[in-house]
Amino acid sequence: QVQMQESGPGLVKPSETLSLTCAVSGYSISSAYYWGWIRQPPGKGLEWIGSIYHSGSTYYNPSLKSRVTISVDTSKNQFSLKLSSVTAADTAVYYCARLSQYQYDSSGYYIAYWGQGTLVTVSS
Amino acid sequence: DIQMTQSPSSLSASVGDRVTITCRASQSIGYYLNWYQQKPGKAPKLLINAASSLQSGVPSRFSGSGSGTDFTLSISSLQPEDFATYFCQQCYSAPTWTFGQGTKVEIK
Repeated sequence: QVQMQESGPGLVKPSETLSLTCAVSGYSISSAYYWGWIRQPPGKGLEWIGSIYHSGSTYYNPSLKSRVTISVDTSKNQFSLKLSSVTAADTAVYYCARLSQYQYDSSGYYIAYWGQGTLVTVSS
Repeated sequence: DIQMTQSPSSLSASVGDRVTITCRASQSIGYYLNWYQQKPGKAPKLLINAASSLQSGVPSRFSGSGSGTDFTLSISSLQPEDFATYFCQQCYSAPTWTFGQGTKVEIK
């Protein structure tokens, strides 16, 4: 069973860099699938931040692309998110996730596994 | 970018009611549409993928339909545990994804 756990500071100062790590157990992240980050501001909807393929290719939300870096550490079986120059608008619950492919169509994807989420507050 | 618009943003319903939530894409996305349920303080849970394929373990009172730009999530007989927020997600533009803004189902 795949389990995912986010970790990182719960409070970040404005203009600084938010850094989170997602530890994965039950599956090797270098084997397959997209691994990604999604966030949810308090009381609001879900926003996809970006994803990394098991091969290392990265894909980012165009609205955040200039500030986001997602990387993977296969030796620790974890992947990370860095979001620079944060503001109060970046306050959110951040989830890590793994996507799976549709059963009969490898072009389709859904989020099969989620971390429990971690609240990051941007405040001085 | 593909925009996803859900309606309504919230609704009030009673146990036993039939509930329908709509998700509209800004361009045709085929059947590349998933539905999730989220309860307060929890991560979302997949209900339906590929517009109409019910995830294993999800009650059969949930169903999905649609293709192209218009999609529907239906709950045939609302149960107490179904009060939650529901999100649609398109994966047509994979490996980029977008979500609808959510529909909160509340107790009348």
